[in-house]
Amino acid sequence: DTAVSQTPKYLVTQMGNDKSIKCEQNLGHDTMYWYKQDSKKFLKIMFSYNNKELIINETVPNRFSPKSPDKAHLNLHINSLELGDSAVYFCASSQDPAGRSSYNSPLHFGNGTRLTVT
Amino acid sequence: LAKTTQPISMDSYEGQEVNITCSHNNIATNDYITWYQQFPSQGPRFIIQGYKTKVTNEVASLFIPADRKSSTLSLPRVSLSDTAVYYCLVGDTGNYKLSFGAGTTVTVRA
Repeated sequence: DTAVSQTPKYLVTQMGNDKSIKCEQNLGHDTMYWYKQDSKKFLKIMFSYNNKELIINETVPNRFSPKSPDKAHLNLHINSLELGDSAVYFCASSQDPAGRSSYNSPLHFGNGTRLTVT
Repeated sequence: LAKTTQPISMDSYEGQEVNITCSHNNIATNDYITWYQQFPSQGPRFIIQGYKTKVTNEVASLFIPADRKSSTLSLPRVSLSDTAVYYCLVGDTGNYKLSFGAGTTVTVRA
């Protein structure tokens, strides 16, 4: 199936630990994203990569580090996890960088990783 | 950065038409308006996109007035499976960033 897949689906860990979330898309898209969804359902963009190049880096703690080994993969590594990091993290991809003039290429989302920090 | 405002929640019954209006007063000339649907435990899913006037597909219709300061997503004859959160999204061509609204939780009852 063509899709955006992310693993793991659930991640429960303790404060201070380091964890990674992996994302892969087989849609042939050039751009990938990480979004964070809090308990109030707000979806906030964190990072975006276009052809392995970082193009969006929102104001997130530097404990969060994205890594894109190739344009089909965008992983998210989180150091020294804190309670406030608990949220659902969504990976997404699009053909062009979202917001490019004249046409907004729709985003394709994965099903999310629910991170719980205890 | 175009900001969007939409109702927090809406209730409906099966078979009715549901209209969700999104306000985006600061929309830029090159911005498109996109709507997404999100079911529990899933990622948002693209529904429809438009620039002006009216767009219709097999799922919904999108009405955009001439001033483009708002848009209305219309879901015809909803069913229980249309219960979801609906997000209005306006593209930001300047910074490649996308602003999601807070989302509208639509609950369809039998």
